[in-house]
Amino acid sequence: GDSVTQMEGPVTLSEEAFLTINCTYTATGYPSLFWYVQYPGEGLQLLLKATKADDKGSNKGFEATYRKETTSFHLEKGSVQVSDSAVYFCALDSNQAGTALIFGKGTTLSVSS
Amino acid sequence: EPEVTQTPSHQVTQMGQEVILRCVPISNHLYFYWYRQILGQKVEFLVSFYNNEISEKSEIFDDQFSVERPDGSNFTLKIRSTKLEDSAMYFCASGGQETQYFGPGTRLLVL
Repeated sequence: GDSVTQMEGPVTLSEEAFLTINCTYTATGYPSLFWYVQYPGEGLQLLLKATKADDKGSNKGFEATYRKETTSFHLEKGSVQVSDSAVYFCALDSNQAGTALIFGKGTTLSVSS
Repeated sequence: EPEVTQTPSHQVTQMGQEVILRCVPISNHLYFYWYRQILGQKVEFLVSFYNNEISEKSEIFDDQFSVERPDGSNFTLKIRSTKLEDSAMYFCASGGQETQYFGPGTRLLVL
């Protein structure tokens, strides 16, 4: 079945460092891809998404490009801030309304000043 | 900006008791979902709901679970007889055609 694999955490960075969190997927068909973020004590917030190959999702300085050839959707940010400390989840769905999101295990990011 | 809301934020119950978790989805959304996240593990899909019926459910969603949309705004998840392993964060989500928006979650602890 469909699945998402994320790099293991935790990731520990200094403020202003470059961030990459790897995400690869296995899916039949043409899924939509998502990054959700979970700040401490809060729920899941949609960070960005891409619905087809070569699309780039972006939000709050984060970017991810849907790469069909490598089945990847890596999350990047050029300069992280302490406030970016959170758990990041990569997810996919089958691009049909009402179907389940399949999540990766999540990657914890800790940014220090 | 509209949000999905959930109540209660925390619930502690005894094993074998029934619990009802409540959600108010975003008002113009048509698709509703429940997920759970056991501490330290990934977020897992439980069930989706559309047009007043279940459209998809996972293996986790067994006969102990049920969902209901009792009125035009609420969407509930009932666990009939809780087990220790039901302890988790339960997230409600709602969506249109493309994207699901999550509530803040209910942390359920079964003792």
